Amino acid sequence: AQSVTQLDSQVPVFEEAPVELRCNYSSSVSVYLFWYVQYPNQGLQLLLKYLSGSTLVKGINGFEAEFNKSQTSFHLRKPSVHISDTAEYFCAVSRVQGAQKLVFGQGTRLTINP
Amino acid sequence: EAGVAQSPRYKIIEKRQSVAFWCNPISGHATLYWYQQILGQGPKLLIQFQNNGVVDDSQLPKDRFSAERLKGVDSTLKIQPAKLEDSAVYLCASSSRPASNEKLFFGSGTQLSVL
Repeated sequence: AQSVTQLDSQVPVFEEAPVELRCNYSSSVSVYLFWYVQYPNQGLQLLLKYLSGSTLVKGINGFEAEFNKSQTSFHLRKPSVHISDTAEYFCAVSRVQGAQKLVFGQGTRLTINP
Repeated sequence: EAGVAQSPRYKIIEKRQSVAFWCNPISGHATLYWYQQILGQGPKLLIQFQNNGVVDDSQLPKDRFSAERLKGVDSTLKIQPAKLEDSAVYLCASSSRPASNEKLFFGSGTQLSVL
């Protein structure tokens, strides 16, 4: 079975500061990795995903994430955040083999202070 | 294109009552998912449909939860009878294919409070 741990439940940062949201996963088989974002009163939407190839993945809104197989991590980063980035961020994994079954982490609430 | 539609947006019931949630996926999406998101936790898959057939319902509490997708389009999730621990946001999602690398499109969810 797969599991995902998001190491920080809340991350407060100042506007224009860099941010890193941490994600570690556990799996005995190969997985795909995802970051979803949930803005207030909206559904989750895909930020980025790692399927194969380059370990540095770029997503929407200036976010990027790096897959590190040896550390089983997939941390999300942004060099300069904006007030509009205030949201809940979810890391998720899915087995490469087999049907779609996303396993989500607990979420990290990113709060941007002016 | 229209997104995933869910209703109602909020529902408050007393324990032991029944409740139903409705979901209409993105047009043409054959795969539909229901997730349960308890406060402070990530979404947990309850059931996955491919067209009108069930692909995975291993985490659905079948003694009280049921779901159907009769015509392979919209879907209904029912809880009967509800328990206090069922208080959560129920999310519906859809995708064009059931592949594990596929992007999911989520609705805004139904927030259920069981008193």
